[in-house]
Amino acid sequence: GEDVEQSLFLSVREGDSSVINCTYTDSSSTYLYWYKQEPGAGLQLLTYIFSNMDMKQDQRLTVLLNKKDKHLSLRIADTQTGDSAIYFCAEGGSQGNLIFGKGTKLSVKP
Amino acid sequence: SQTIHQWPATLVQPVGSPLSLECTVEGTSNPNLYWYRQAAGRGLQLLFYSVGIGQISSEVPQNLSASRPQDRQFILSSKKLLLSDSGFYLCAWDTGTGTEAFFGQGTRLTVV
Repeated sequence: GEDVEQSLFLSVREGDSSVINCTYTDSSSTYLYWYKQEPGAGLQLLTYIFSNMDMKQDQRLTVLLNKKDKHLSLRIADTQTGDSAIYFCAEGGSQGNLIFGKGTKLSVKP
Repeated sequence: SQTIHQWPATLVQPVGSPLSLECTVEGTSNPNLYWYRQAAGRGLQLLFYSVGIGQISSEVPQNLSASRPQDRQFILSSKKLLLSDSGFYLCAWDTGTGTEAFFGQGTRLTVV
């Protein structure tokens, strides 16, 4: 079945780069997404990548897609304490639905 | 173990008909519950969230309402559907402690 996996925790120091990884199973996914959830708030779409792209950069965010290995990553450059949140990877499934990973909690230490 | 059930998976309803989508959670108590919608070509939009029984917060004005009659039950409703209500509806829960969240399978609603 369709599944999205990501590690649950990541801890980095302020100013370092953060890399959050995700693997997915549905090779027919059209879009792959990264969402952010801050404490007490709903999900916020950070960025997305079309499945025929390898990379997308948006300010401090870089998304890399390895379609062969079904691996997606989100790199946050110059990580700040305000980046502390849970980051969710999601794929657009074959039925037009969204399938989410369980989320990676990013902790940024000063 | 903790699970979340959302149904139905797909739904086709005529304009003007009522709507009721149900979401139930197992294996936890007093979860935060969320209803999201993804319209075509857009990201997820938070519709409602609830921190307890009978406590519903609405993020956007719309044709929909939500209720939480029991601790682990969250219902999304409409009295009269509009064409613009078509989309993918997703229920989710978390513990409110800043750890992982859990998502339902989603409901693909098509209003015709």
